[in-house]
Amino acid sequence: KQEVTQIPAALSVPEGENLVLNCSFTDSAIYNLQWFRQDPGKGLTSLLLIQSSQREQTSGRLNASLDKSSGRSTLYIAASQPGDSATYLCAVMNSGYSTLTFGKGTMLLVSP
Amino acid sequence: DAGVIQSPRHEVTEMGQEVTLRCKPISGHDYLFWYRQTMMRGLELLIYFNNNVPIDDSGMPEDRFSAKMPNASFSTLKIQPSEPRDSAVYFCASSFGGGEKLFFGSGTQLSVL
Repeated sequence: KQEVTQIPAALSVPEGENLVLNCSFTDSAIYNLQWFRQDPGKGLTSLLLIQSSQREQTSGRLNASLDKSSGRSTLYIAASQPGDSATYLCAVMNSGYSTLTFGKGTMLLVSP
Repeated sequence: DAGVIQSPRHEVTEMGQEVTLRCKPISGHDYLFWYRQTMMRGLELLIYFNNNVPIDDSGMPEDRFSAKMPNASFSTLKIQPSEPRDSAVYFCASSFGGGEKLFFGSGTQLSVL
């Protein structure tokens, strides 16, 4: 059974810092990996989707990398802003399935 | 498109009552998922549909939970009878294709007293 772990559970940084969020998964036979953002009281918004054949994806100040063999992904946020404060969740889709297994997320607070 | 629409946003009910949660997926999406989120367990998949057909309901906790998708634009999740341990945020999500980006609704915050 796929298990997804995110470390740290919470992170607090001053505005302007570059930061890295980590995600690890136990079964490397994945189809893709998605990073989501969740604001308090809201649903999840998909930020980046990396196919198993890809190494990274970029969107604006966000860069996600994937190392399938080691079961790891990172989300890099450049020049963080207070508006980046949210919970970031990593989710993995296994090959042969259509469903995602989610980590419990990293709660990020960027202070002005 | 307005995105995935869920109703109600909040539901407070008493133990033993029937609860019905509703979802309208994004037009054209052929996959619909129901998730439950709690602090302890995170996001858990309850059931998903493909082209209105239930594919995997192994995440449905027990017979008190049922889900239907009578057409491509509407799905319901019903809990009967409800219990306090059902209190959680219930999300509906849809996608075009099984391995594509998932779009979530704003969720229904359910409190069972």
